[in-house]
Amino acid sequence: QSALTQPLSASGSPGQSVTISCTGTSSDVGGYNYVSWYQQHPGKAPKLMIYEVSRRPTGVPDRFSGSKSGNTASLTVSRLHSEDEADYYCSSYAGSNNLVFGGGTKLTVL
Amino acid sequence: QVQLVQSGVEVKKPGASVTVSCKASGYSFTSYGISWMRQAPGEGLEWMGWISTYNGNTNYAQNFPGRVTMTRDTSTTTAYMELRSLRSDDTAVYYCARAPGGLPPDYWGQGTLVTVSS
Repeated sequence: QSALTQPLSASGSPGQSVTISCTGTSSDVGGYNYVSWYQQHPGKAPKLMIYEVSRRPTGVPDRFSGSKSGNTASLTVSRLHSEDEADYYCSSYAGSNNLVFGGGTKLTVL
Repeated sequence: QVQLVQSGVEVKKPGASVTVSCKASGYSFTSYGISWMRQAPGEGLEWMGWISTYNGNTNYAQNFPGRVTMTRDTSTTTAYMELRSLRSDDTAVYYCARAPGGLPPDYWGQGTLVTVSS
């Protein structure tokens, strides 16, 4: 399984919106509606922000949203806050109990 | 509340084995599988494999041929990951996470740092 492709970095100013992409294939992202997004602050464990492409767990602000088109999933963070600065990873089910992760995107709030 | 508590820091020599434990609480242990991931220093997340806590079935990533074994003990609601023939590039933080049916996980453990050094 090849890793999903994410941009190395993204940035935006407080109050702005930023979108992070996650590109896979028809065998993972494009084949299943099981894409999740995780936020990871330095030295901490990843935290689930979006699951099943666009669903938010309880407690995650509605500033975080997810979508998918074909083999590419996207995470949008609206109304950026300083605390949103972190690494973000996508993950997709790839069939037969296999998972694949993206390489991660460092989000900087300017 | 759902909690996954992992065992502590490990320092191993090349060629040795390490076992990391993951104690689950706050939910029905056998209703969700456990995935294991690792993260080398400064790198991204790498999926290592998944175990069904219901029947013990496993699926391992292709990157660890014959080196990894995942088990679980339903009586203590604990999952285990053993990695053998350790190399320096196995140095990483190892994470367990609750994974419904092998899907992307939701709750994560705090991570276990494994350092491989002579």
